Amino acid sequence: DAGITQSPRHKVTETGTPVTLRCHQTENHRYMYWYRQDPGHGLRLIHYSYGVKDTDKGEVSDGYSVSRSKTEDFLLTLESATSSQTSVYFCATSREGSPLHFGNGTRLTVT
Amino acid sequence: DQQVKQNSPSLSVQEGRISILNCDYTNSMFDYFLWYKKYPAEGPTFLISISSIKDKNEDGRFTVFLNKSAKHLSLHIVPSQPGDSAVYFCAASAEITGANNLFFGTGTRLTVIP
Repeated sequence: DAGITQSPRHKVTETGTPVTLRCHQTENHRYMYWYRQDPGHGLRLIHYSYGVKDTDKGEVSDGYSVSRSKTEDFLLTLESATSSQTSVYFCATSREGSPLHFGNGTRLTVT
Repeated sequence: DQQVKQNSPSLSVQEGRISILNCDYTNSMFDYFLWYKKYPAEGPTFLISISSIKDKNEDGRFTVFLNKSAKHLSLHIVPSQPGDSAVYFCAASAEITGANNLFFGTGTRLTVIP
């Protein structure tokens, strides 16, 4: 277990409000990722980070931003939440060239 | 467009028998393939992987087979146990160094019947 903590585990918010999801790791892994899981789509990459302050977009990055100010923390922000962003969000970490380790997810509902 | 496909949403198998989960991919640049297992309310956990230079990789009861010409891989679980009941995700990557950006299939829910 890569020691990944996601917070909050559950959140309900209203359309148009900003939301920040947090991922904290204790394994000093260089790479961190945010995925979303939706029925019929599996897991899809939103953003990833290859170091402090170094981030890049994944395949479904529209409407999301990320920040990584410390090795151990990776934040995902929805600037103005929409109903299409209702999903389960997973944070993952990895070392160089190694399989991803996932956190237990955050279930976000946008009403 | 889904680059990694798992066409069977569910599979039921008797305890002790073989479970075979299938996965197809479309991107010929993929060279590293993984299987993840997911229990409810938990994150996916890594199960087994294979690189494109191999056609088989075995780890205990789990074996992954890769057919590059058919762009197909499968996961065999022998013998199947009730604790194997979970959703299994196939994933693929175009590089195994650096950021390992994985593309996932939609998952197959395996139920092992005692």
